[in-house]
Amino acid sequence: DTEVTQTPKHLVMGMTNKKSLKCEQHMGHRAMYWYKQKAKKPPELMFVYSYEKLSINESVPSRFSPECPNSSLLNLHLHALQPEDSALYLCASSQDSGLAGGARYFGPGTRLLVL
Amino acid sequence: GIQVEQSPPDLILQEGANSTLRCNFSDSVNNLQWFHQNPWGQLINLFYIPSGTKQNGRLSATTVATERYSLLYISSSQTTDSGVYFCAVWGPYDMRFGAGTRLTVKP
Repeated sequence: DTEVTQTPKHLVMGMTNKKSLKCEQHMGHRAMYWYKQKAKKPPELMFVYSYEKLSINESVPSRFSPECPNSSLLNLHLHALQPEDSALYLCASSQDSGLAGGARYFGPGTRLLVL
Repeated sequence: GIQVEQSPPDLILQEGANSTLRCNFSDSVNNLQWFHQNPWGQLINLFYIPSGTKQNGRLSATTVATERYSLLYISSSQTTDSGVYFCAVWGPYDMRFGAGTRLTVKP
């Protein structure tokens, strides 16, 4: 099973809302990632979790708060977002920890619209 | 940091044609992966290919790490091959996607 699942598929939220994105993998991977992709642009790395610990934060604003409850789950908590945060949010996982190696497997993404 | 360039940026083909997509990258890269992003946004893993050659059906890829480039070959293209093709490269401390090649295959 090489599947990464993400929920919800679509999300519309106001600037004062709090919401969470969820990601799950059952491949035994020890590294998990959040990416943000704006229209007609490549994905950009936001966070890396290695062995359930945050190892990389690419200077992401604090209104995005990641959480890794266990090795199979990754959440992204959203609060007080801005309209420019509207994007496709992609989760990925890989066998090896951190950025050292191993193929990345991506979920289908959550399309977020902030009004 | 890591630099990665993809070419061409756009490619329009007639169904049945062959194509070659290129990814050039800078030093300090020890991993490379090719993806196809379909119209719904799903990033589909095509090849994890830090070096060497791999084939999967009509697609094949070659990475020459010493010369810092990778090529993705698509043969007998089909309309379902349309979408954006990304190469992603990474090293110990950095990871980048290329800007992508947007492929349109016409029937």
